[in-house]
Amino acid sequence: AQTVTQSQPEMSVQEAETVTLSCTYDTSESDYYLFWYKQPPSRQMILVIRQEAYKQQNATENRFSVNFQKAAKSFSLKISDSQLGDAAMYFCAYRRGNTGGFKTIFGAGTRLFVKA
Amino acid sequence: KAGVTQTPRYLIKTRGQQVTLSCSPISGHRSVSWYQQTPGQGLQFLFEYFSETQRNKGNFPGRFSGRQFSNSRSEMNVSTLELGDSALYLCASSFSGSLFFGPGTRLTVL
Repeated sequence: AQTVTQSQPEMSVQEAETVTLSCTYDTSESDYYLFWYKQPPSRQMILVIRQEAYKQQNATENRFSVNFQKAAKSFSLKISDSQLGDAAMYFCAYRRGNTGGFKTIFGAGTRLFVKA
Repeated sequence: KAGVTQTPRYLIKTRGQQVTLSCSPISGHRSVSWYQQTPGQGLQFLFEYFSETQRNKGNFPGRFSGRQFSNSRSEMNVSTLELGDSALYLCASSFSGSLFFGPGTRLTVL
């Protein structure tokens, strides 16, 4: 069975600084997708960034980027120039390839605090 | 486009009752998934529907059921409620494999 592990229950970063959230996963599949989702205190979960396993290039979305290490099964999220609005719970997630549906497995989450 | 909507947003029930939650996906999205979120267990997959067919099911008892209608709207039902069913129930519609979540329904079982 696939698993997703986030070993940092909480992280803290100073405004304008950079922070990296860690995620490891376990799968025997070769075709899969990885995601980072953000859940602010208002509770609406939103997609931050997505990485297809077949792509070697790391995904980036503005201030958010990932370090995807397929052999190590590691998928970390880097947030640059942190802003107060980045404070939220961050979930790493895994989904198998396009066959069999969109069942997504989530890690336990990392709560990010941003200090002014 | 309007986002995923869920109704009701808050619900209080007592043990033994049943409850029905509703989810309307983003227009054009044919896949709808349901997740249960609790402080202790985190986010757990309940089931996924695509074109009115259940495509995946998580490890939940038979008291949890769902369905999807021809307009892609989905409902989930929980019968014989237990205290442990208190949770935030999240619905998500999918496009190209990414999930787009609704605001959730907060269910409290007394």
